[in-house]
Amino acid sequence: GAVVSQHPSRVICKSGTSVKIECRSLDFQATTMFWYRQFPKQSLMLMATSNEGSKATYEQGVEKDKFLINHASLTLSTLTVTSAHPEDSSFYICSARAVEVGTEAFFGQGTRLTVV
Amino acid sequence: QKEVEQDPGPLSVPEGAIVSLNCTYSNSAFQYFMWYRQYSRKGPELLMYTYSSGNKEDGRFTAQVDKSSKYISLFIRDSQPSDSATYLCAMRGEGGATNKLIFGTGTLLAVQP
Repeated sequence: GAVVSQHPSRVICKSGTSVKIECRSLDFQATTMFWYRQFPKQSLMLMATSNEGSKATYEQGVEKDKFLINHASLTLSTLTVTSAHPEDSSFYICSARAVEVGTEAFFGQGTRLTVV
Repeated sequence: QKEVEQDPGPLSVPEGAIVSLNCTYSNSAFQYFMWYRQYSRKGPELLMYTYSSGNKEDGRFTAQVDKSSKYISLFIRDSQPSDSATYLCAMRGEGGATNKLIFGTGTLLAVQP
């Protein structure tokens, strides 16, 4: 099946610093990528949708200046958490949707962000 | 009312049992229905994908969609301890505002050896 690689799997950073998370589709071209946030024992909350070469579409309540999303190529999207604070600590997951694969989005392994 | 309702469980069954997981939804525009399995601290893994109404079988897994009742199910036969995970239903429409996946809250399943 299609593979989506997300890196890093775990990161600890100091409050006020920025963290970049990468999401790569390894064997297909992802026209659309999605970024989710998941709190413990809760479902996935969509943060934003990104299409290659265009600006991301953010969900209501998600700060676009805090969560910077770049989808520069058909295989790579990045999420940068700027000026991170402890309340940004969470599990962030990306997914990619490819028309060629013919099925629904595949998910990365997730990134556990801890801001201290 | 949430767009997608799913019993969070936990659901505990003995090894070998048949497991039934369900979701209901309210948006009649949904056409694509998915079931994902998520192990602790991992990303979701796509298990089953169904378009519109009907049944789909893959090994020990069977997915059913009843659009008239707005009800979807996932059955797991001969359940194994390795099936212990959170199962998330997800669905979406064809495009536009309904193009993003809407997830249920997930059902935590524990299969006891």
